[in-house]
Parts: sequence; C-alpha cells; structure tokens
Amino acid sequence: GAVVSQHPSRVICKSGTSVKIECRSLDFQATTMFWYRQFPKQSLMLMATSNEGSKATYEQGVEKDKFLINHASLTLSTLTVTSAHPEDSSFYICSARDLAGPNTGELFFGEGSRLTVL
Amino acid sequence: QKEVEQDPGPLSVPEGAIVSLNCTYSNSAFQYFMWYRQYSRKGPELLMYTYSSGNKEDGRFTAQVDKSSKYISLFIRDSQPSDSATYLCAMSEASYDKVIFGPGTSLSVIP
Repeated sequence: GAVVSQHPSRVICKSGTSVKIECRSLDFQATTMFWYRQFPKQSLMLMATSNEGSKATYEQGVEKDKFLINHASLTLSTLTVTSAHPEDSSFYICSARDLAGPNTGELFFGEGSRLTVL
Repeated sequence: QKEVEQDPGPLSVPEGAIVSLNCTYSNSAFQYFMWYRQYSRKGPELLMYTYSSGNKEDGRFTAQVDKSSKYISLFIRDSQPSDSATYLCAMSEASYDKVIFGPGTSLSVIP
C-alpha cells in the first residue's frame, strides 16, 4: 500500500513554544490529508482536513489559530501546534488518500507523533 | 448519541477462537466502511474496506455490513496472539469524504 511518513515521531517541548509536525506521502500525491488527535485508549478524533493549495477545514471545537495547518504541496502537509500547553500533549496522526489506488476511500496513516508539553 | 458506537472492551479470547467485533452508527449516509487495526503507539493500518451492504472476506478476516440496521461487523477466525491490538471501525459518506472512527475495541488473544 501507499506510504505516509510522519516526523518527528516524538517531541518534548516546553510550555509556550511551538511545534511543527510534518506529514509526507512518499509514493503518491495527496490533494487532501487529514489530521487526527488521539488520547490514550481513545479513538481518533478528526481535527482538520488539509487541502493542497487552500485553507484547511477545521472540525467544530478545534482552534484554527492554535493548530496551524499548511498543505503547500501534493506530498506535504504540516501541523504546527502554537504556544503549546500541557493539555496539548497527545498523539497526533496524519493520513492521506491515494486516489489512484484500488480503494479510493482508503486512508493511509503515518506512524504518528507523540507530543509531550512540559 | 455518538455518530459511531463501538464496545471498547477489553476483549480477551484464547488463541484459535473466533472473534466478533461490532459497530453501530447513526448516519444513514455512510457508504464506505473500514476496519483498522492499531498496535500501541502506532498509526492504524487498514484491514478491510467495503462499500455499501454485504460481506467481504480476506484470509482470516470477514467484514459484514448491514446498512438497514446500521451495523457492521468484523470476524477474525483462528485468532492469533499477533492479532492482539485495538480494532477501529471507520466510515465515510463518500470515497473522498472525511472518515469518522469508532472508539475502538481492545483485543487480547491469549496463547
């Protein structure tokens, strides 16, 4: 299947700093990527839909100024957690669709990024 | 009512057992149904992908969708310890639409 790479896999930062997480589709082009957040032993909560060349679409309750998303190319989307606080500590996972693949609805996931804010 | 409901478990079964995992949903517009497996601290990986109602089999895994009841199932035959993971059902209205996940069921297969 298609490969989605996410970096960094782990990051620890001080409260008040900003953290950037990258999501890359390695062998396909992704006009749309999705960012999820997952708390321990809970499901994936969709945060936003990242659209190449346009503004991201945020889910209700997600602060767009807090979680900045940029999708500047067909293979790269970034999530920046601005002025991070301990409550932002979570597992962030990106995903993308390979529209040229056999299952056009299939989401391929990155390995996730575990953010810890001290 | 949550959009997608799933018994979180944990579910513990002996090796070789048949496992049944289920989800219910409320949005009748869902057309695409998926099952993902997630190991601890890893991204989910797709197990099964189905469109509309019906059954689909792949090796030891069988997915069933009953749209009239808004109910989907995943069966695992001859379960193995390596099947121990969290299983997430997921669904979307269109192939290009956002995907909504159930809360996941934690499964342990005991040798």
